[in-house]
Amino acid sequence: GAGVSQSPSNKVTEKGKDVELRCDPISGHTALYWYRQSLGQGLEFLIYFQGNSAPDKSGLPSDRFSAERTGGSVSTLTIQRTQQEDSAVYLCASSSGLLMGSPLHFGNGTRLTVT
Amino acid sequence: GIQVEQSPPDLILQEGANSTLRCNFSDSVNNLQWFHQNPWGQLINLFYIPSGTKQNGRLSATTVATERYSLLYISSSQTTDSGVYFCAVPSGGSYIPTFGRGTSLIVHP
Repeated sequence: GAGVSQSPSNKVTEKGKDVELRCDPISGHTALYWYRQSLGQGLEFLIYFQGNSAPDKSGLPSDRFSAERTGGSVSTLTIQRTQQEDSAVYLCASSSGLLMGSPLHFGNGTRLTVT
Repeated sequence: GIQVEQSPPDLILQEGANSTLRCNFSDSVNNLQWFHQNPWGQLINLFYIPSGTKQNGRLSATTVATERYSLLYISSSQTTDSGVYFCAVPSGGSYIPTFGRGTSLIVHP
């Protein structure tokens, strides 16, 4: 597609339920990032995928969070047993990965609200 | 990890004014990016600028990597410039940009 696509745009869930957030990166981009932005805050790194390499999961806040990337393209971020503190905007970005830290292109995010 | 500090945290301008936003970082870097997050939350990449100066219309950016800072200049500001400006730098040897806390800009008509 023309840009990074994320779905759903909004998700309201009850505490304790599992949620899946989807990211479709720009075609041909090998690098994919997930960040989280709480209200009025900066961006917090969660996980990074590059090609077929093992992902960098160093930013995941707990073992309730996991992510996978199938076929080097679409990625899914899963949050199990959601808590109220998980409420945030979850942002996905992709880059060409050709240069170290090549320009990131962000999707519009998924706004998650845990009630 | 790398520390990224942005200043000022908040900025209010009258339309037509100029401004300078600053980003300091604690470690050597091989690239730096500036982003604008509009009031609807969309993040747009403004500059990819590991060193030197780049210009794009009314915006320009300068990075002095040896002194560990970057500046974003906004000239003749417009209401559409409102939003939050972030800089992001990766730690040495990393592909993962660390973001500053941003500068929130409001431009009044």
